[in-house]
Amino acid sequence: GAVVSQHPSWVICKSGTSVKIECRSLDFQATTMFWYRQFPKQSLMLMATSNEGSKATYEQGVEKDKFLINHASLTLSTLTVTSAHPEDSSFYICSARVRGSNQPQHFGDGTRLSIL
Amino acid sequence: SQKIEQNSEALNIQEGKTATLTCNYTNYSPAYLQWYRQDPGRGPVFLLLIRENEKEKRKERLKVTFDTTLKQSLFHITASQPADSATYLCALGLAAGYQKVTFGTGTKLQVIP
Repeated sequence: GAVVSQHPSWVICKSGTSVKIECRSLDFQATTMFWYRQFPKQSLMLMATSNEGSKATYEQGVEKDKFLINHASLTLSTLTVTSAHPEDSSFYICSARVRGSNQPQHFGDGTRLSIL
Repeated sequence: SQKIEQNSEALNIQEGKTATLTCNYTNYSPAYLQWYRQDPGRGPVFLLLIRENEKEKRKERLKVTFDTTLKQSLFHITASQPADSATYLCALGLAAGYQKVTFGTGTKLQVIP
């Protein structure tokens, strides 16, 4: 149980294009989803917290107009990297959790984004 | 400033031995602590959670301790196997019900056959 599917697993695109990444909880309803960015040999950096039906809460230093998050249902959240540039190249990972104290996060397998 | 420190150096251990990984934190008062496993190119997988009022938690070959006085958690894998080779991340939750956790940088474990 508690499977999170993230798609696509990797994407290469030209500078200036927008890229959408989907995160789905397959067998549970996720009241909260998180989006992380991870650089090589570094920890997970939280970008934003997303609750179903409400606006995402972005961490300090993360541009909300650059990284658009939509959490339209209890099983789907999307991250759109708008007008992507080479410095946006990274490993993006989503996670989902159910309501309740101390619940663990269930992670997708990440999206490797390369901007040329 | 707040810090979560895990061994930055990789930990190499012989198969069958017990691996012990450390997570130290400063300027935090976590309500709970989680341990995750991450394989290369994959998302982390949740392993164990321990609350601030718990000293020890076990799950099969895994054991976690939590010392709020020392501000430290230890993660043990007994009878280690090559399949245990991965990066292990600790994550601190600041309050019960608080949604976010903050991750440490992880320790890479290599179990040598």
